[in-house]
Amino acid sequence: SQTIHQWPATLVQPVGSPLSLECTVEGTSNPNLYWYRQAAGRGLQLLFYSVGIGQISSEVPQNLSASRPQDRQFILSSKKLLLSDSGFYLCAWSVIAGRRDTQYFGPGTRLTVL
Amino acid sequence: SQQGEEDPQALSIQEGENATMNCSYKTSINNLQWYRQNSGRGLVHLILIRSNEREKHSGRLRVTLDTSKKSSSLLITASRAADTASYFCATVNSGGSNYKLTFGKGTLLTVNP
Repeated sequence: SQTIHQWPATLVQPVGSPLSLECTVEGTSNPNLYWYRQAAGRGLQLLFYSVGIGQISSEVPQNLSASRPQDRQFILSSKKLLLSDSGFYLCAWSVIAGRRDTQYFGPGTRLTVL
Repeated sequence: SQQGEEDPQALSIQEGENATMNCSYKTSINNLQWYRQNSGRGLVHLILIRSNEREKHSGRLRVTLDTSKKSSSLLITASRAADTASYFCATVNSGGSNYKLTFGKGTLLTVNP
């Protein structure tokens, strides 16, 4: 069966510090991968998605970047965090073919920037 | 702007009652999905209804879709305390990428024991 992991689960970082959040998927090959951010009490905002290694699409201009160095690894990064980067970050995957519309989410990372 | 807008924003009911949540959207869609999120956790896919379907069932869940009104509803029958969570609708727009879901802000459901 497929599983998706995210780490760390929680993170407290000072303004101006770098960020690296990691997401890995097991049990499937060549998935679509997604990064979302959820502000408190709000819906999900799609940040990045990837349909293959090295292929990243950005949805909103921001202080963040994403990379996909391996088929089942997706990394969210920042060189200098802003207060507004605080939030709940969720990684998700979906299949390329078949029921590709359904997305499967990881447990999330709670980021607090102070 | 949010493609999916759920209402109510919050709903509180007693165990055993039915819970109905609504979702409205603005553009033509390929399909509409409902997800559940327990507090502080990731989202779990509940059910998907395609644009050519009008009703779908899964266990205690019933989803309807009215494309003429651009709206959907999620009914949870015989609710349980464990159903307490936020519920989100998400749409895949027709003519757009099948990879991208657009989420609403969610309905917070509280089921009191």
